Amino acid sequence: EADIYQTPRYLVIGTGKKITLECSQTMGHDKMYWYQQDPGMELHLIHYSYGVNSTEKGDLSSESTVSRIRTEHFPLTLESARPSHTSQYLCASSDGTAHATNEKLFFGSGTQLSVL
Amino acid sequence: GNSVTQMEGPVTLSEEAFLTINCTYTATGYPSLFWYVQYPGEGLQLLLKATKADDKGSNKGFEATYRKETTSFHLEKGSVQVSDSAVYFCALSSGFQKLVFGTGTRLLVSP
Repeated sequence: EADIYQTPRYLVIGTGKKITLECSQTMGHDKMYWYQQDPGMELHLIHYSYGVNSTEKGDLSSESTVSRIRTEHFPLTLESARPSHTSQYLCASSDGTAHATNEKLFFGSGTQLSVL
Repeated sequence: GNSVTQMEGPVTLSEEAFLTINCTYTATGYPSLFWYVQYPGEGLQLLLKATKADDKGSNKGFEATYRKETTSFHLEKGSVQVSDSAVYFCALSSGFQKLVFGTGTRLLVSP
């Protein structure tokens, strides 16, 4: 069973609010990821990290930011939420090395964000 | 670049029917191939994987064979159950590239 946790599970907020989606893992994984999942189910990588103090933008441009101050924690922040940010956000981690081709990702249960 | 193409869903089956979900890929080098499953209200979980040509991944009655000649990794199950209803994602990783997911295929199994 994966030990990766996301909070909150559901969040409904008004436009313009600042929010932080939490993601923590207890497996000591160096690599962590944030995916945005649209209603059609497709996954889009928006941020990733290869370790502490490492953050990179993913394939899909996002107005969110991330930080990686501790190995186990990879929060995602939206400074000013808009209705276009309404989506499911999935956090994942992996114990693969930077060049592994067969890494297994462990996913959290996701945060469903609705911005009114 | 690397890409994965999955059949569009939803796939609707009756319990005990045979399942095939098609997946084809384009990749440089020698990719590893995966199937992930997402049950309602949950994150994704690795279902099975294959790391080289002709390998067969299997788990929970599901199977997929890595076919290099047809660049395919089709998911099969001989007899589906209602509890198999979920979204299935084909994925690959190759070289230094990050994991690439297909668009997902929703499976609905009715009693």
